[in-house]
Amino acid sequence: EVVLTQSPGTLSLSPGERATLSCRASQSVSSSYLAWYQQKPGQAPRLLIYGASSRATGIPDRFSGSGSGTDFTLTISRLEPEDFAVYYCQQYGSSPWTFGQGTKVEIK
Amino acid sequence: QVQLQESGPGLVKPSGTLSLTCAVSGGSISSSNWWSWVRQPPGKGLEWIGEIYHGGTTNYNPSLKSRVTISVDKSKNQFSLKLSSVTAADTAVYYCARKGGYATPLDYWGQGTLVTVSS
Repeated sequence: EVVLTQSPGTLSLSPGERATLSCRASQSVSSSYLAWYQQKPGQAPRLLIYGASSRATGIPDRFSGSGSGTDFTLTISRLEPEDFAVYYCQQYGSSPWTFGQGTKVEIK
Repeated sequence: QVQLQESGPGLVKPSGTLSLTCAVSGGSISSSNWWSWVRQPPGKGLEWIGEIYHGGTTNYNPSLKSRVTISVDKSKNQFSLKLSSVTAADTAVYYCARKGGYATPLDYWGQGTLVTVSS
């Protein structure tokens, strides 16, 4: 199975700063079938990015995804207060579909 | 707008079977979608359990395959999860979710339901 490793584990930033989250796969992700989800406490995950770089419906353009092969990045250009949450990457190119362990973006 | 709602017992005894149902509204379970289950142990990350297509085709995580059964009830527009021989390690929030196709992300999620395995 494809193992996804996210870094860093925790990112401490202030509102207005730029956040860069990394997701590395143990093998190439087919057709860039890589998604990013945001999860806030007590809530279900919400799809942000699919196909490595396409924003899901209703997602603000401060969220962007990039990468291919084994290295992917989620960038939040300017953090808003509501962006402090845990972010997960997921690959859906090779079953079993797998998730990274998550990156927590916390207020500094 | 598709909505999903999980239901089922919040407490299951060790060695028993966990049974959950996901009711789908705002769309037909017979559409060209896959219907999935994902779980999250308290304070931990997400684990994909398995999925089903309305025709009955299933796809399970090999790590759970021997204990998992996912089924669909078209008449009730819902799908279900059964996980047998549960232990404390199966304590988690269980989410149902929809995928637009086979190799697609999870675009709609239920709110999740906590299932605790304890005697």
